[in-house]
Amino acid sequence: GNSVTQMEGPVTLSEEAFLTINCTYTATGYPSLFWYVQYPGEGLQLLLKATKADDKGSNKGFEATYRKETTSFHLEKGSVQVSDSAVYFCALSAPRNGNQFYFGTGTSLTVIP
Amino acid sequence: DTAVSQTPKYLVTQMGNDKSIKCEQNLGHDTMYWYKQDSKKFLKIMFSYNNKELIINETVPNRFSPKSPDKAHLNLHINSLELGDSAVYFCASSPRQVSTDTQYFGPGTRLTVL
Repeated sequence: GNSVTQMEGPVTLSEEAFLTINCTYTATGYPSLFWYVQYPGEGLQLLLKATKADDKGSNKGFEATYRKETTSFHLEKGSVQVSDSAVYFCALSAPRNGNQFYFGTGTSLTVIP
Repeated sequence: DTAVSQTPKYLVTQMGNDKSIKCEQNLGHDTMYWYKQDSKKFLKIMFSYNNKELIINETVPNRFSPKSPDKAHLNLHINSLELGDSAVYFCASSPRQVSTDTQYFGPGTRLTVL
């Protein structure tokens, strides 16, 4: 079946620290992988995505590389800011599955000045 | 220029009532979805429609009934509300029904059943 396992939170970092949020997946076929961010009281916004192995998605200083050999899509940022405080969701969409998204449990990030 | 909109944003109601949540997208997308986010932030698909046709219907009580009057709208009607229905409900849309497509989410409707 299809599933996403995401690093448990909450995560608290100081401003300018390095961020890694781990995400691994199980999927039938070759899925597309996504990171979404949810700010307090808001809906989910796409942060980045990768649709095939070895693709790197990047946006706003965040990066994630689709690693088929380790079935992973870890999110990284070199220097976090207070404004990055949010909940981050890893998700996959598998072919022949109606573009249904399977989400991880979310990782809450708080960045302190 | 809102892309995916939902109404209402907040809904507080008594057990046993019937309520509806509306969703509209102005992106010209073919596919729309309903997700439920529980108190621990876990998101799960409920329904998906493609060009007004039901595609995904997960294990959801039949008290929940989606309706898609046209490609731009997907409404969710809930009968006989229960305490466990309290959650945030998100509508989303994507251009097509293919796994590489991004889904665009609405702001959510927070439903509280008393």
